[in-house]
Amino acid sequence: DAGITQSPRHKVTETGTPVTLRCHQTENHRYMYWYRQDPGHGLRLIHYSYGVKDTDKGEVSDGYSVSRSKTEDFLLTLESATSSQTSVYFCAISALPTGGSDTQYFGPGTRLTVL
Amino acid sequence: AQTVTQSQPEMSVQEAETVTLSCTYDTSESDYYLFWYKQPPSRQMILVIRQEAYKQQNATENRFSVNFQKAAKSFSLKISDSQLGDAAMYFCAIFSGSRLTFGEGTQLTVNP
Repeated sequence: DAGITQSPRHKVTETGTPVTLRCHQTENHRYMYWYRQDPGHGLRLIHYSYGVKDTDKGEVSDGYSVSRSKTEDFLLTLESATSSQTSVYFCAISALPTGGSDTQYFGPGTRLTVL
Repeated sequence: AQTVTQSQPEMSVQEAETVTLSCTYDTSESDYYLFWYKQPPSRQMILVIRQEAYKQQNATENRFSVNFQKAAKSFSLKISDSQLGDAAMYFCAIFSGSRLTFGEGTQLTVNP
């Protein structure tokens, strides 16, 4: 199994509060991703990183920011949480652009509830 | 932009039987990869099988195989000798342009 951990695994917070989710990898992979999973939508990309301090937006990036100051850590921040951000959040890693290493491996997920 | 469509929200199969899950996709890229992921109740996303679009040969992993029809943009998953542990949500996904796009999933039930 790929060495990916997410913290916290569960969090309940109130509308308007800031929230930071952490993804940590031990694989030294270049690419890291944040997804959210909601019923009826599969997984949707929020942001991704292709190196330290290099990030780009995904399809549902509004209301989220990310940071990557070290290869092993990728942080997802909700500056002011809203109820629409209640979801399960997954981190993933891949070793792009090495040939054949495009497969993404996923962390265990974080269930976030915004009241 | 790329899209993935899984037209079967739910499927069921008898233990030891064979089931096929459907997936169609659309992309403007010539270089892409296709995946099936499994998500059991534990919520963990588990890679089932991977197919490079430039390869004509269908990928196989033990009881799991795909039928990749590039011209039709179809990528179905066949599970042979179904086991109770195969019960899960199955997601089809396409990777191109540094992005992985998922379908909405098919919930598979395996009946003993």
